[in-house]
Amino acid sequence: DQQVKQNSPSLSVQEGRISILNCDYTNSMFDYFLWYKKYPAEGPTFLISISSIKDKNEDGRFTVFLNKSAKHLSLHIVPSQPGDSAVYFCAAKNFGNEKLTFGTGTRLTIIP
Amino acid sequence: DTAVSQTPKYLVTQMGNDKSIKCEQNLGHDTMYWYKQDSKKFLKIMFSYNNKELIINETVPNRFSPKSPDKAHLNLHINSLELGDSAVYFCASSLDVWTSGGSEQFFGPGTRLTVL
Repeated sequence: DQQVKQNSPSLSVQEGRISILNCDYTNSMFDYFLWYKKYPAEGPTFLISISSIKDKNEDGRFTVFLNKSAKHLSLHIVPSQPGDSAVYFCAAKNFGNEKLTFGTGTRLTIIP
Repeated sequence: DTAVSQTPKYLVTQMGNDKSIKCEQNLGHDTMYWYKQDSKKFLKIMFSYNNKELIINETVPNRFSPKSPDKAHLNLHINSLELGDSAVYFCASSLDVWTSGGSEQFFGPGTRLTVL
């Protein structure tokens, strides 16, 4: 039973445009959400997070939006750069709990 | 300076063998984790230790035994390796979630295990 889903396995975006990566979750107990970026042959690296008390969190070119009623979050990257080409994982947890549940990832390719 | 390191990076071995993967973090974190990324790229938690104490043990076969000699190290020992154990294993660490509830996890580079 996959509690965190990323339904788009891949996404291609033109350099300079906006990249939007989506994530859905089923467990209503999740209250803290994270995005990780992963390059080949490396471990995931933390990108940005959001608590369920917020609906938006911004960090430079990266913004995460949370829609609790729809159990949906999205990561926006503006403007997209070639170095953003990677696999992006959405993850969810209960705040104060160690267990992180990951989605299956979306491979983002930025086209120069 | 590597924050979370794992050795070896690649491990190729025969079915039935016993092998270990080592993990070390120099971030001063209290909590460490082992994850398995299978062939479908699904990243799933296996174990978590906080200050050398086991706190998460997902449904993992008994052949997998984590060992934490101190809070900076979490090693994974696998007995009687099977074909299905082939995967990439990631170690991670984080601050104690009781003092930093949403603490993000920092991952090592992964160990690709291939069982022949």
